[in-house]
Amino acid sequence: GAGVSQTPSNKVTEKGKYVELRCDPISGHTALYWYRQSLGQGPEFLIYFQGTGAADDSGLPNDRFFAVRPEGSVSTLKIQRTERGDSAMYLCASSSIQGAISGANVLTFGAGSRLTVL
Amino acid sequence: SQKIEQNSEALNIQEGKTATLTCNYTNYSPAYLQWYRQDPGRGPVFLLLIRENEKEKRKERLKVTFDTTLKQSLFHITASQPADSATYLCALDFGGYQKVTFGTGTKLQVIP
Repeated sequence: GAGVSQTPSNKVTEKGKYVELRCDPISGHTALYWYRQSLGQGPEFLIYFQGTGAADDSGLPNDRFFAVRPEGSVSTLKIQRTERGDSAMYLCASSSIQGAISGANVLTFGAGSRLTVL
Repeated sequence: SQKIEQNSEALNIQEGKTATLTCNYTNYSPAYLQWYRQDPGRGPVFLLLIRENEKEKRKERLKVTFDTTLKQSLFHITASQPADSATYLCALDFGGYQKVTFGTGTKLQVIP
């Protein structure tokens, strides 16, 4: 698509429930990132995919968080047994490394999924 | 671990003046230092980047400097306008297949 699409835009759930957040990146972008952002803070890195594999998942806070990208395009962030502290804006971004020489990762973000855990 | 610090307090400036935002980091210098703009309720939007071997980069009313000795980048908006009011984020990009790490952001308010 033309931009990065995230669904749902808003999700309200109860403590202990399971949540899935979806990201549809820009067509042809091989890299896909998930970030979490709390109010007044910068985006906090969660996980980064290069193609289908997780190149770096060092930011996932614990084993309740899991993300997949089975076909190298759409990704789903899965949160089990949600806690109130999981409430935040979840941002997805995709990038296409700018040429073999520069290698810069310029990110295009979606509008985010706001998760509220009651 | 790598730390990235931006002015935590909001920056208020008068319309027409130059806004200067600071980004300081620890440990290793990135291959690229990126700057993004974020409006409330929206995802960040890429503005420009500067390479580690560049001292200064300009794009329209924006200017970025990068000093790897001081481990600092400065982001300037000249002739600021109320429409420039937003949160500005710096990000460290080590290039290639590595993650991009963001600072906490500085909220800029341009007063008419």
